[in-house]
Amino acid sequence: GEDVEQSLFLSVREGDSSVINCTYTDSSSTYLYWYKQEPGAGLQLLTYIFSNMDMKQDQRLTVLLNKKDKHLSLRIADTQTGDSAIYFCAERGPDSSYKLIFGSGTRLLVRP
Amino acid sequence: SAVISQKPSRDICQRGTSLTIQCQVDSQVTMMFWYRQQPGQSLTLIATANQGSEATYESGFVIDKFPISRPNLTFSTLTVSNMSPEDSSIYLCSGIAGGPGDTQYFGPGTRLTVL
Repeated sequence: GEDVEQSLFLSVREGDSSVINCTYTDSSSTYLYWYKQEPGAGLQLLTYIFSNMDMKQDQRLTVLLNKKDKHLSLRIADTQTGDSAIYFCAERGPDSSYKLIFGSGTRLLVRP
Repeated sequence: SAVISQKPSRDICQRGTSLTIQCQVDSQVTMMFWYRQQPGQSLTLIATANQGSEATYESGFVIDKFPISRPNLTFSTLTVSNMSPEDSSIYLCSGIAGGPGDTQYFGPGTRLTVL
């Protein structure tokens, strides 16, 4: 079955790096995504990684994928207070439905 | 990418009534979806909105409760029917515009409170 899990909460100091972790169960997932949700807002796509990649970097964001362990992480370098939000990972399966299975979300709190 | 808007942004409704939420995309999208986000929870897919035909519903969601229309490639509606307090959630529409990653873009959501 499909299941995506994340830790619920992460607190870091401004300027430090944040690492948000995600595990998934569907080994046939094709794409994995990271979304950000600020209070009262919709979901903002941050980045995605294709399942045949093990790393993707985009400015302050680094995504690592360990397909063997079905583990995905998002590293935010030089975390700022504006990064405080809920971060969701999501997987897309191999079928043609394009539907996404979301994790529970990790609430990131950045302390000044 | 795609810019997605929703109306209304929020509403407070009485139980037993129905609310129709509109979703407009600024460009043609291949697929559109409706999700529900219950308070403090993650997103759950309600259905795939199919252009010109009946939506495809996920397990636990039925057409009588959540009728969906998609008359063209850039517009869809979701109706929450015969509402109860348990329907209080954020309802989000999304669309896939094509391109790398088949990325799915989301609207800002409609925050529904049922009294």
